[in-house]
This record gives sequence, structure tokens and C-alpha cells, in this order.
Amino acid sequence: QSVLTQPPSVSGAPGQRVTISCTGSSSNIGAHYDVHWYQQLPGTAPKLLIYGNTNRPSGVPDRFSGSKSGTSASLAITGLQAEDEADYYCQSYDSSLSGSLNWVFGGGTKLTVL
Amino acid sequence: QVHLMQSGSELKKPGASVKVSCKASGYTFTSYTMNWVRQAPGQGLEWVGWINTNTGTPTSAQGFTGRFVFSLDTSVSTAYLQISSLKPEDTAVYYCAREGLGGGIDYWGQGTLVTVSS
Repeated sequence: QSVLTQPPSVSGAPGQRVTISCTGSSSNIGAHYDVHWYQQLPGTAPKLLIYGNTNRPSGVPDRFSGSKSGTSASLAITGLQAEDEADYYCQSYDSSLSGSLNWVFGGGTKLTVL
Repeated sequence: QVHLMQSGSELKKPGASVKVSCKASGYTFTSYTMNWVRQAPGQGLEWVGWINTNTGTPTSAQGFTGRFVFSLDTSVSTAYLQISSLKPEDTAVYYCAREGLGGGIDYWGQGTLVTVSS
């Protein structure tokens, strides 16, 4: 059971817009900790897609955007392309366990491009 | 360019130990913290812990204390993860991962598959 909750799967047709939610609590996202998003293509290491809630690393298309509000964050992908089919993970920090700051990941969302 | 090169796959018996290496290149090794993340077969990402490459101070995630040890050899820009008393449930791909200055992991190693089986 992940500390951050993501839908197991989402899907969309090419060209459409999809969003992936990441729901946390007052000890992580709600505590104003940053949220980061990763894309993992099959058989490869994850790749940073969004950092600091809304920022895109160099080379990441502007079709990908991130947002955060309260205890949740979202990743939006517009103009869906076949190459976007992958697993997506959110990551933040949690301060509820033993007083130390732990990194926490969402369970991952599989995006299928129809 | 930044590159994290990890050691090769390992097959170990339960109770044995394994040491995974992660050699960094293309940047100043001690300027960025190094994290370790694991991914069991067909499962999601799980944070194992991190090490301050400047001070050598390690921090383990909850549930990864004791058997998981982080270390460094800054002379060769290499981080290590040693796992002792291996269990079948430790079977996973272990990634070393550099934390970027803006937060999040900006560079990942290619992953090292550790298989624990009798």
C-alpha cells in the first residue's frame, strides 16, 4: 500500500488529454513538500518528467505539465502520442514516520494509448 | 554528460550478501546526494535510502535499516549498496539515482537485477 495513491491505469486516444492524479495527506503533499513525476518505459530506468510540482527538465515536451493543490497533485498530458505509453510515478516526501523525512512514491499508473 | 554506471546482475542464495556499485561520471560526485531505489518484478518504485556524498552520512528508509548499508569511495566517484542476509523478497532491480538540485531524481543508473533464490 503506497503512501501516495495513483489510479492503476488510465487510457486515451492519440491527440487527447489525460490526467493522472496523485493523492497524499497532511504529512506529505499537504505539508507543502514538492511533488515530482517520472515516466518509465518498459524495461528502462525511470525518467524525470516534472520536478518541483510544475517544472519540466530540459528536453521534456511542453505537452507534459504538473500541478499541485492541497493534498493532491496531477500530471496532465496533452496531444497524446503512442510513445507516451508507459508507467508514470509521482514522488514526494513524508514526515510521519519516526520523525525523519522519507521519500515516498505513488504506486504507479499505466498509461495506455488506444 | 552525466552517467551512472552500475554493476551487473547478481544471483545469490538466501542468507548471502551482495554489493552493488554505481560509478558516476560527468559531474562533481560530492556535489549531489545519491539515492537508491528498488523495483521488485512487476511492481512499483520503492525508496531504499540515500547517502550524503559530501559527508558520507547515510539515511535508510523505514524498513531498510540494518541489512542495507550505503557507502562511498569518493576517490573513484562510486557509491555502493550492500545488502546482507538476503531474502527472496529482496529480489528486485536496484537503481542508484542522483538527486537534482531542483529536487527529484534527475539521473538514474541502468539498474542492477539482484535475484535471491535457492
